[in-house]
Amino acid sequence: EPEVTQTPSHQVTQMGQEVILRCVPISNHLYFYWYRQILGQKVEFLVSFYNNEISEKSEIFDDQFSVERPDGSNFTLKIRSTKLEDSAMYFCASSGGGGGFTEAFFGQGTRLTVV
Amino acid sequence: DQQVKQNSPSLSVQEGRISILNCDYTNSMFDYFLWYKKYPAEGPTFLISISSIKDKNEDGRFTVFLNKSAKHLSLHIVPSQPGDSAVYFCAASALKTSYDKVIFGPGTSLSVIP
Repeated sequence: EPEVTQTPSHQVTQMGQEVILRCVPISNHLYFYWYRQILGQKVEFLVSFYNNEISEKSEIFDDQFSVERPDGSNFTLKIRSTKLEDSAMYFCASSGGGGGFTEAFFGQGTRLTVV
Repeated sequence: DQQVKQNSPSLSVQEGRISILNCDYTNSMFDYFLWYKKYPAEGPTFLISISSIKDKNEDGRFTVFLNKSAKHLSLHIVPSQPGDSAVYFCAASALKTSYDKVIFGPGTSLSVIP
């Protein structure tokens, strides 16, 4: 069964450092997303990406965040200067096999710990 | 601004009985609703969905009911099994206006007691 894969599974970084979270979406999907879940809180939408550009973003997704699909298969989330409050589980998801809306499939997540 | 609400953070049910998880939404533009299940240390997995043109969708032990006038949906699991113990997220999307954004509720943690 096709799946969304995320690397690394756990990333520890110093406050102020840049971090890049990587995702390989399902190959024929057209829409890509990042969500995050701070420990004990709800899953929050960060950004969606379609046709090589951001289609929607939440208020969480400020100038410190950026997304990229550098090579047609990977989908990355960069946090430029991490803050303690960026510590969370980050989930990548993809959807839309070209035939219309399909449910989003999620990766296993990357746990980001900012120290 | 919580557009998708799940007012019960947790629920305990005896094995074999019915589990009913509730979800309310505020945005009248939502027209597609999904339930996801999440085990610890894993990403959410899709469970079942319903379009706003329907009021019920069934898949095995799982049934989702939608009451558009009340802006309410519920997930019924019958019979409940211990393996159903997980966090259940209600999610919604407005396909006509915001095709690619799925908004999640805060989740309900279901424990099925053997």
